[in-house]
Amino acid sequence: SQTIHQWPATLVQPVGSPLSLECTVEGTSNPNLYWYRQAAGRGLQLLFYSVGIGQISSEVPQNLSASRPQDWQFILSSKKLLLSDSGFYLCAWRGTGTNYGYTFGSGTRLTVV
Amino acid sequence: QKEVEQNSGPLSVPEGAIASLNCTYSDRGSQSFFWYRQYSGKSPELIMSIYSNGDKEDGRFTAQLNKASQYVSLLIRDSQPSDSATYLCAVNSQNAGNMLTFGGGTRLMVKP
Repeated sequence: SQTIHQWPATLVQPVGSPLSLECTVEGTSNPNLYWYRQAAGRGLQLLFYSVGIGQISSEVPQNLSASRPQDWQFILSSKKLLLSDSGFYLCAWRGTGTNYGYTFGSGTRLTVV
Repeated sequence: QKEVEQNSGPLSVPEGAIASLNCTYSDRGSQSFFWYRQYSGKSPELIMSIYSNGDKEDGRFTAQLNKASQYVSLLIRDSQPSDSATYLCAVNSQNAGNMLTFGGGTRLMVKP
């Protein structure tokens, strides 16, 4: 069966520090991968998606970046965090075909102080 | 106009009642529809998917789809306090490159 792992679960970082969040998927090949952010009490904001190794599409201009070095690995990064980067970061994967929904990881709650 | 719209709520229902959650979408070419449940502080969990007009039942949950009217709904029968959560509607939108577009979610509160 397919599983998605996301870590860390919580993170408190000072303004201006770097960020690296990792997401891995097991049990499937060539998944579509997504990074979302959810501010407190708000909806899901799509940040990045990837349909394959090295293929990244950005939905929102910001100081975040994403990379997909392996088929099963999706990384969200920032060189310098802003207070506005605080939120709940969710990684999701989807199999091939539009009949599949997304499966979300457990999320990372990031607080920038 | 948002592509997928939901009433933010909160929708408050007594325990044992039927909770009705509604969602409208703008892309007539949408083919697949999903309902997610998100408990506070947790990630969304897929609970229902529907692809054809009509009803689809799974336990206490029934998803209803009407493509002509561009709405999809979720009924929860015999609501329990453990059903209290935010419910997200997601639509596979051709306009969005066949990615899911999420509504803002409806917060459901089931009171004992």
